[in-house]
Amino acid sequence: DTAVSQTPKYLVTQMGNDKSIKCEQNLGHDTMYWYKQDSKKFLKIMFSYNNKELIINETVPNRFSPKSPDKAHLNLHINSLELGDSAVYFCASSRRVSFNEQFFGPGTRLTVL
Amino acid sequence: GDSVTQMEGPVTLSEEAFLTINCTYTATGYPSLFWYVQYPGEGLQLLLKATKADDKGSNKGFEATYRKETTSFHLEKGSVQVSDSAVYFCALSLNNNDMRFGAGTRLTVKP
Repeated sequence: DTAVSQTPKYLVTQMGNDKSIKCEQNLGHDTMYWYKQDSKKFLKIMFSYNNKELIINETVPNRFSPKSPDKAHLNLHINSLELGDSAVYFCASSRRVSFNEQFFGPGTRLTVL
Repeated sequence: GDSVTQMEGPVTLSEEAFLTINCTYTATGYPSLFWYVQYPGEGLQLLLKATKADDKGSNKGFEATYRKETTSFHLEKGSVQVSDSAVYFCALSLNNNDMRFGAGTRLTVKP
């Protein structure tokens, strides 16, 4: 039973398009996160979110927006995709706003052409 | 700013060899320190952690000790297996508001 799942696993799209990546966790966690892993394997946090607070990394362009229909889901919507958005995006969750134990999804490889 | 620096890979070892992956940190306060592992095609998994100085985290034969005096959290394993081949990330967390990862070190273990 997958704890944190993401769809799609691979996403290839053209520059300028709008796309979404979905994330679901079945752990009953209160907080979810999005990370971006670039080609050099650096992992950078983009957002952390629970039903009370959204914390945004100030380096994230406002073309990126998290959308949470309920506590178990945190989708990542990206407008006007750019070449530099190509990366692997990881969703994660934890019991509260705590980095002490996060559970990660398998990642979504986004390629912008 | 707060950051983590880990040794560049890739690291290639033979089975049963001793492993060390170095990690040092820079932080204004007293961070919690972590090692995560990413197996091919999978997400990151927490391998071990330490929340204060002199703590030793251990799991699956891997160990790391939080050394405040050298600001280090080196990962070690006495005898690696082929199944340990993965990318290893050192990370720190301060104040539960941010998580900083190192660049990752790819380990390949050959039979």
